Amino acid sequence: SQTIHQWPATLVQPVGSPLSLECTVEGTSNPNLYWYRQAAGRGLQLLFYSVGIGQISSEVPQNLSASRPQDRQFILSSKKLLLSDSGFYLCAWSVLGTPSNFGSGTRLTVV
Amino acid sequence: GENVEQHPSTLSVQEGDSAVIKCTYSDSASNYFPWYKQELGKGPQLIIDIRSNVGEKKDQRIAVTLNKTAKHFSLHITETQPEDSAVYFCAASTGYGGATNKLIFGTGTLLAVQP
Repeated sequence: SQTIHQWPATLVQPVGSPLSLECTVEGTSNPNLYWYRQAAGRGLQLLFYSVGIGQISSEVPQNLSASRPQDRQFILSSKKLLLSDSGFYLCAWSVLGTPSNFGSGTRLTVV
Repeated sequence: GENVEQHPSTLSVQEGDSAVIKCTYSDSASNYFPWYKQELGKGPQLIIDIRSNVGEKKDQRIAVTLNKTAKHFSLHITETQPEDSAVYFCAASTGYGGATNKLIFGTGTLLAVQP
């Protein structure tokens, strides 16, 4: 069966520090991969999606970037974190259509 | 752009009762409406979805209805059980849910089923 792994579960980082969140998917090939952010009291906002290795589409201009170095690996990065980058980050995947499976998320607090 | 409003933000029901969560959308071109369930400490999971060419879809105790004229859709859970307790999100998109069509999410409903 397909599984999605996302880590770390929680992260506290100082303003100006770099960020790297990793997501990997098992049990499927060539998935569509997504990064979402969930702010408190709000719905999920799509940040990036990828339909293949090296193919990244950005939905929202921001301080973040994404990369897909391998078929089932999706990385969310920042060179210098801002306070406004705090939130709950979710990785998701699908084979056809919109995401049906999300990871367990990373709670990022920028201090 | 598309906006999705979801109500209520919290809902408490007794075990065995029904629960209804409603969402409205603004973009009349939206044609795909999924619902997600997020349990504590976990990521959201797709539980049911509906496309604009149908008005209702059922899957055991859950059903979704769509009113395109009024631009709203609802999640119905019958015979609720404690394990139904979670946060539920609605979403809307164009393109019938293709991989690259952006989902716009509602703000979520915290459902508590009291035993």
